[in-house]
Amino acid sequence: GNSVTQMEGPVTLSEEAFLTINCTYTATGYPSLFWYVQYPGEGLQLLLKATKADDKGSNKGFEATYRKETTSFHLEKGSVQVSDSAVYFCALRGAQAGTALIFGKGTTLSVSS
Amino acid sequence: KAGVTQTPRYLIKTRGQQVTLSCSPISGHRSVSWYQQTPGQGLQFLFEYFSETQRNKGNFPGRFSGRQFSNSRSEMNVSTLELGDSALYLCASSGTGKDEKLFFGSGTQLSVL
Repeated sequence: GNSVTQMEGPVTLSEEAFLTINCTYTATGYPSLFWYVQYPGEGLQLLLKATKADDKGSNKGFEATYRKETTSFHLEKGSVQVSDSAVYFCALRGAQAGTALIFGKGTTLSVSS
Repeated sequence: KAGVTQTPRYLIKTRGQQVTLSCSPISGHRSVSWYQQTPGQGLQFLFEYFSETQRNKGNFPGRFSGRQFSNSRSEMNVSTLELGDSALYLCASSGTGKDEKLFFGSGTQLSVL
């Protein structure tokens, strides 16, 4: 079945450091890929998405490129801020219509000033 | 537009009891999904309802059940509670498009003693 694997956390960075959170997936066909973020005490919210191979999703300085050849969707940001501290979830929705959204276990990011 | 509303926010139960959680989706959304969030397992998919029908189901025992009403409001029920059912239960709603983003509620924190 479909699955998502993302790097274990926590990830601890200083402000303005470069961020990469790795995400790989297993799925048949061409799934849609997402990154969601959960700030402390809040529900999850969509950060970015990509629905076909080689697409790049971007939002708030974060980027992720859908790589079919490596089945990956790594999240990157060139310069993190303290306000980026949160839990980041990689997610996948299968290629067939009506399939559920499946999440990775989440990676906690902590940014210090 | 009001967001996804989950009630109650916190719940304490004892082993063997049953519990019902409620979710009111964003107005106009017909899809409601439920997830269990724990520190060890991350976000695990429970089930999804669309227009009062269960469309997808995760790998949870039959003690976990749900339903959706004609106004799209959804409830999930857990019978014969176990200590391991302690978790944050998140509800999310979405529109009808294939890659519609999920809008999450703040969750119900269930503690089983």
